[in-house]
Amino acid sequence: KAGVTQTPRYLIKTRGQQVTLSCSPISGHRSVSWYQQTPGQGLQFLFEYFSETQRNKGNFPGRFSGRQFSNSRSEMNVSTLELGDSALYLCASSYRDLSSGANVLTFGAGSRLTVL
Amino acid sequence: EDKVVQSPLSLVVHEGDTVTLNCSYEVTNFRSLLWYKQEKKAPTFLFMLTSSGIEKKSGRLSSILDKKELFSILNITATQTGDSAVYLCVILSGSARQLTFGSGTQLTVLP
Repeated sequence: KAGVTQTPRYLIKTRGQQVTLSCSPISGHRSVSWYQQTPGQGLQFLFEYFSETQRNKGNFPGRFSGRQFSNSRSEMNVSTLELGDSALYLCASSYRDLSSGANVLTFGAGSRLTVL
Repeated sequence: EDKVVQSPLSLVVHEGDTVTLNCSYEVTNFRSLLWYKQEKKAPTFLFMLTSSGIEKKSGRLSSILDKKELFSILNITATQTGDSAVYLCVILSGSARQLTFGSGTQLTVLP
């Protein structure tokens, strides 16, 4: 069973540009969530999509947006890039554990964004 | 505001040592606690704990949850250099879609 696939793995942008990252979840998983990981802030939740709808959102500015397609693939977009946006962006797909009702996350390898 | 605190923040041991990593939390409507191991790439799933007092084991790793005292521990026995990683504690709460991450414990195992 293929895991969570994120593209691109690495990219370099300059301030003011915009970037789009892609995430393909595990087959059958309908929930996709995005996270930003930086050395200073740790792992922070960006947003979660389920059945093409944003279901949950973290505390990030409107420059960070996302969407999900009918095949559950998701994209994340960051506009007007700032130096502080340099980070590893992780995507996770999840399934619901029926016994506990909890969502178990499986992460992709991440997209490392460097903003110069 | 939900809070997850991991300790220690970093730890250096030698191969063969046993380590205990801690995760304490304050969240509203706790659902479950997950442990992840993160090396250079994405976090990989270790354990999910939902009930107090039931130890989960996988090889040299084990974990247990205390819902009364609001903490969990992750034990690694006979550590190996391949155990070097950041260990993340994640709390699922509310509708099980609210995620709170700890800052992680950076474990370094020296040969």
